[in-house]
Amino acid sequence: GAVVSQHPSWVICKSGTSVKIECRSLDFQATTMFWYRQFPKQSLMLMATSNEGSKATYEQGVEKDKFLINHASLTLSTLTVTSAHPEDSSFYICSAPWWNTQYFGPGTRLTVL
Amino acid sequence: AQRVTQPEKLLSVFKGAPVELKCNYSYSGSPELFWYVQYSRQRLQLLLRHISRESIKGFTADLNKGETSFHLKKPFAQEEDSAMYYCALSVRETSGSRLTFGEGTQLTVNP
Repeated sequence: GAVVSQHPSWVICKSGTSVKIECRSLDFQATTMFWYRQFPKQSLMLMATSNEGSKATYEQGVEKDKFLINHASLTLSTLTVTSAHPEDSSFYICSAPWWNTQYFGPGTRLTVL
Repeated sequence: AQRVTQPEKLLSVFKGAPVELKCNYSYSGSPELFWYVQYSRQRLQLLLRHISRESIKGFTADLNKGETSFHLKKPFAQEEDSAMYYCALSVRETSGSRLTFGEGTQLTVNP
């Protein structure tokens, strides 16, 4: 089956620093990947759609300059949280479609101190 | 805009009892609906989709367009079914398909 990985699985950073999260499709190619944010005991909220070779599409209310997305290859998308603040602490999850099914990464827990 | 509603945040049943997790949606187009499950400390994974009309782990879900519902059912719940369940609606747009999730229902099956 299709596997999506994320790295790191857990990161702690200081306020004001930037953090990069990687999402990889391990055994398939994905021209599109999706980034979600999940608060404790809440649902997944789509942040943006990452498109290989073109700009990401952001959902309403998501700051493009805050959450930089780069889809560098058909197997890799990165989400960079710039100038992170404590309110950015959350669980970030990516997904990639394969044969009309979304496959999810294990998520990255970001804690901003 | 599309929306998915799961009215129950928490649902608790005893082992062997029937279970139904409710899901209602609003979407003007032709919906593609899914149920995803997230077991403790595991990633989100697809449980079933309405198109395939299959039964996975004893779960079934029928799309009712008249009631705009896609409830998940299992006649005899098992302890290993305890998990977080999300109903999701897929919408095809020019940029591709995207999922809208419901708020989720935490199912606990007691021994």
